[in-house]
Amino acid sequence: QVQLVQSGSELKKPGASVKVSCKASGYTFLAYAMNWVRQAPGQGLEWMGWINTNTGNPTYAQGFTGRFLFSLDTSVTTAYLQISSLKAEDTALYFCAREVFPGYLDYWGQGTLVTVSS
Amino acid sequence: SYELTQPPSVSVSPGQTARITCSGDALPKKYRYWYQQKSGQAPVLVIYEDYKRPSGIPERFSGSISGTMATLTISGAQVEDEADYYCYSTDSSASHWVFGGGTKLTVL
Repeated sequence: QVQLVQSGSELKKPGASVKVSCKASGYTFLAYAMNWVRQAPGQGLEWMGWINTNTGNPTYAQGFTGRFLFSLDTSVTTAYLQISSLKAEDTALYFCAREVFPGYLDYWGQGTLVTVSS
Repeated sequence: SYELTQPPSVSVSPGQTARITCSGDALPKKYRYWYQQKSGQAPVLVIYEDYKRPSGIPERFSGSISGTMATLTISGAQVEDEADYYCYSTDSSASHWVFGGGTKLTVL
């Protein structure tokens, strides 16, 4: 069965970096793009962007350029989200989601809570 | 930037019809998608391409479009339908997506 399993919660200090993983299984990894979605505490969903798993080409939403990096390791069917120069406002739950076609996100990871605090 | 506007909350009694709206601007029509997020869980797609229902989603969930307004209708809402609902669509470039602000549906 299709599964997206994300790495565990992270507690980081401001200015540090974090790398969140999303391990995919149960399907052909290269056949589906991967999206990333952020949800700040008590807030709504924000689309961060997506990565083409065939080419590795990322697309970032407005507000998620510069400090955010999507990457892949296709040998282990895993997508990554790296955030550098962390700020308190990066504290959020980060989800990966498989894209069947644009807009259609059918499987989601369980979410990774990143907390940024001194 | 492109924005989708939803009412913050909708409340109905069990068995009533709940309607959640999502308005965008007057740009060329793009499909709307609807996601349900129950407390502490990942979102689940309930409507795609304006009105289509994914496999496994109950028939009481339906979607419609009128002009630039999309509506998610839950006919005969049940207590288990209590959740936050988000519309989702793309801008005119079709390369950047956005979620609406979300609507908290209360069924009691």
